[in-house]
Amino acid sequence: DIQMTQSPSSLSASVGDRVTITCRASQDISYFLAWYQQKPGKAPKLLLYSASRLDSGVPSRFSGSGSGTDYTLTISSLQPEDFATYYCQQYYSTPRTFGQGTKVEIK
Amino acid sequence: QVQLQQWGAGLLKPSETLSLTCGVYGGSFSGYYWSWIRQPPGKGLEWIGEINLSGSTNYNPSLKSRVTISVDTSKNHFSLKLSSVTAADTAVYYCARERVKGGFGELGYWGQGTLVTVSS
Repeated sequence: DIQMTQSPSSLSASVGDRVTITCRASQDISYFLAWYQQKPGKAPKLLLYSASRLDSGVPSRFSGSGSGTDYTLTISSLQPEDFATYYCQQYYSTPRTFGQGTKVEIK
Repeated sequence: QVQLQQWGAGLLKPSETLSLTCGVYGGSFSGYYWSWIRQPPGKGLEWIGEINLSGSTNYNPSLKSRVTISVDTSKNHFSLKLSSVTAADTAVYYCARERVKGGFGELGYWGQGTLVTVSS
């Protein structure tokens, strides 16, 4: 199985801050990486796929980058509705695996 | 717009079989992989497995001996069965669909989630 390690596990930030979350795979996953946002009591929502492509309707303040084993999710200017938990997921191979999540909290 | 609506028993006793169904509404059923994911209370996401309409399945090896995912094309439903449940199987279970046909596994559509509690 490919292990996905996210960091940090949590962070505190203010509205307007630039936020960066990293995800490291245990082997090269060749851009087969997705990012999800999950709010309490709700299903995860796809934000980005193929490491850097925004899903339909996702605000442009979200962006993704990376290659090989190391990937990054960036929120350029944190908005009140962005406080949530974020997960990365590799789909290079089965079993699909997720990072442990990063909780973004209000400072 | 495709919608996934899931249902099934929410309270089980140890050793029973979990059974959930996911109905697909408003979109094509064919050509996609259909998945199940779970999330224990307060914890992260665990991929359980997936199926396509040809019946081809992929399962998480950690659950493979207890999991069966099946599809009913006549009803636009797919189902999850997990046998011999224990308290460790207590979780919110989600069904999901890949974003586009022939996509590679990014999950663009999700059901609402079903909390399954295993308790004696």
